[in-house]
Amino acid sequence: GNSVTQMEGPVTLSEEAFLTINCTYTATGYPSLFWYVQYPGEGLQLLLKATKADDKGSNKGFEATYRKETTSFHLEKGSVQVSDSAVYFCALSVINYGKLTFGQGTILTVHP
Amino acid sequence: SAVISQKPSRDICQRGTSLTIQCQVDSQVTMMFWYRQQPGQSLTLIATANQGSEATYESGFVIDKFPISRPNLTFSTLTVSNMSPEDSSIYLCSARDSPYEQYFGPGTRLTVT
Repeated sequence: GNSVTQMEGPVTLSEEAFLTINCTYTATGYPSLFWYVQYPGEGLQLLLKATKADDKGSNKGFEATYRKETTSFHLEKGSVQVSDSAVYFCALSVINYGKLTFGQGTILTVHP
Repeated sequence: SAVISQKPSRDICQRGTSLTIQCQVDSQVTMMFWYRQQPGQSLTLIATANQGSEATYESGFVIDKFPISRPNLTFSTLTVSNMSPEDSSIYLCSARDSPYEQYFGPGTRLTVT
């Protein structure tokens, strides 16, 4: 079956620190990969995506590269802000228009 | 991108009762989904809401407990029936308007006492 594993959290950083949240996956077929963000009290927002191997998704200073050889899609940001404090979910979808399989989520807290 | 609204945004219900959650999308979409997010947990797919036909349920979820309607390409409802405290969760509606873009509503926060 399909599954997504994220690094254990929570993650606590100081403002302007470098962020990495690890994500690995197992999938039958060729998945599309996603990062979603959930701010406190809100629904999920699509942060970035990659649909094939070696694609790099990027948005709002966040980046993630689809690595087929390591089955990974790690999220990075060079300098985090307090406003980045949220829960981050890695997800995959194997079939176009198909359902999303989510990782367990990683809580990020950024202190001034 | 599709904009999704849900009603109600939150509710407190007594055990044994039922609650219907509405999901409205601002454009026609091919697929709609319902997810559950239990406190501090990730998202679990309940079912795919199919327009004009019965929903497709994931393992562990049944139609008698979570009946779903989708009368057209912009609207769906999820009913949580005969509620128990274990049903206390956030219920999220989601929609896809392209192969790679899936959007979520703000969620309905349900507490069952």
